[in-house]
Amino acid sequence: IAGITQAPTSQILAAGRRMTLRCTQDMRHNAMYWYRQDLGLGLRLIHYSNTAGTTGKGEVPDGYSVSRANTDDFPLTLASAVPSQTSVYFCASSEDGGRGWTEAFFGQGTRLTVV
Amino acid sequence: GQNIDQPTEMTATEGAIVQINCTYQTSGFNGLFWYQQHAGEAPTFLSYNVLDGLEEKGRFSSFLSRSKGYSYLLLKELQMKDSASYLCAVRGGDYKLSFGAGTTVTVRA
Repeated sequence: IAGITQAPTSQILAAGRRMTLRCTQDMRHNAMYWYRQDLGLGLRLIHYSNTAGTTGKGEVPDGYSVSRANTDDFPLTLASAVPSQTSVYFCASSEDGGRGWTEAFFGQGTRLTVV
Repeated sequence: GQNIDQPTEMTATEGAIVQINCTYQTSGFNGLFWYQQHAGEAPTFLSYNVLDGLEEKGRFSSFLSRSKGYSYLLLKELQMKDSASYLCAVRGGDYKLSFGAGTTVTVRA
């Protein structure tokens, strides 16, 4: 693998269920991000992490949680899914954190439908 | 937080030039990025500005004025494959990377 990988690619989920979206990168980037993209609203930041062991809230964090136990993985969890969380979710990573800036590289996205 | 504004849609003719403007308000500034996104695909990086001035990369150029909170992306010699959404993104003082809603560019023959 070279780059950033998300799983699953798509998912239909019953409301009230718990779901974890997986994101793994092999570029040793220290910063990682989760966005959701909805028509007309662009990419909205859910949570981010500037380095392993730290996380921060973005614009729309409610209903979502993240963890960053190591450099490579940044899972996003929906504790109890609701229909308004139907969206396309993108994970991204970049070499960040005060040592110089690079562009963010994006995963291929996860299309989640909550019914 | 960050406010990032860009036009919703633009239309241009094949071979022409289009300029997409982006204005922003941030708490601190650590760079401005432009991304291209085709329908159903992930965003891909186009350009990066952290200092004032023009950055040129082939048919694409990006300009930044930090004092005005303003950037533009210039697409020259438009091709049909340039039909896509163009996203302006700003990294603020807290290092969060925030995006505008995107500008959909339609190139017509």
